[in-house]
Amino acid sequence: SQTIHQWPATLVQPVGSPLSLECTVEGTSNPNLYWYRQAAGRGLQLLFYSVGIGQISSEVPQNLSASRPQDRQFILSSKKLLLSDSGFYLCASGRSNQPQHFGDGTRLSIL
Amino acid sequence: LAKTTQPISMDSYEGQEVNITCSHNNIATNDYITWYQQFPSQGPRFIIQGYKTKVTNEVASLFIPADRKSSTLSLPRVSLSDTAVYYCLVISSGGYNKLIFGAGTRLAVHP
Repeated sequence: SQTIHQWPATLVQPVGSPLSLECTVEGTSNPNLYWYRQAAGRGLQLLFYSVGIGQISSEVPQNLSASRPQDRQFILSSKKLLLSDSGFYLCASGRSNQPQHFGDGTRLSIL
Repeated sequence: LAKTTQPISMDSYEGQEVNITCSHNNIATNDYITWYQQFPSQGPRFIIQGYKTKVTNEVASLFIPADRKSSTLSLPRVSLSDTAVYYCLVISSGGYNKLIFGAGTRLAVHP
């Protein structure tokens, strides 16, 4: 079965600082990969998805970017964090027609 | 992508059966119905998926009427550990499996 690794579990960053969140996947190959963000008490919002190395689709224009340098590695980045970037970030892996598997997320607080 | 509507919250007691209904009036022929469970500070976890009639696994049952415009997640004999947010999603069988999460149903199980 798939395992999704995300780190760090929690992160506190000042406004204007850069960000790099990493997600790695075990137990599958050539998965579709996804980044979601969840605000407190809300559902998940899809930010980016990738169907292969170097292929990134953005769902919501924003201060963030994503990259997929390897088949099972997905990175979420920002050059300058905003207060509105606070939230719970989740990485997911899946294939078409199959349920997605989620990591345990990174809780990001911007001060 | 079909929009889903489900109750914001529900309360139950240990040992009772809980039924959470989701409406998806605009479901397409190729769409599947999928339910996820999410505990605080964790990623969503896949519970069950179905296309029509009834699906049962070790965790839950999913009932889907013939018109497929709604579905009901049934949790038998809930325990305190079933307190969580439950999300109903409609997923296309083709494409990139982009999940659209609503606010979900917050289930509270009481002693």
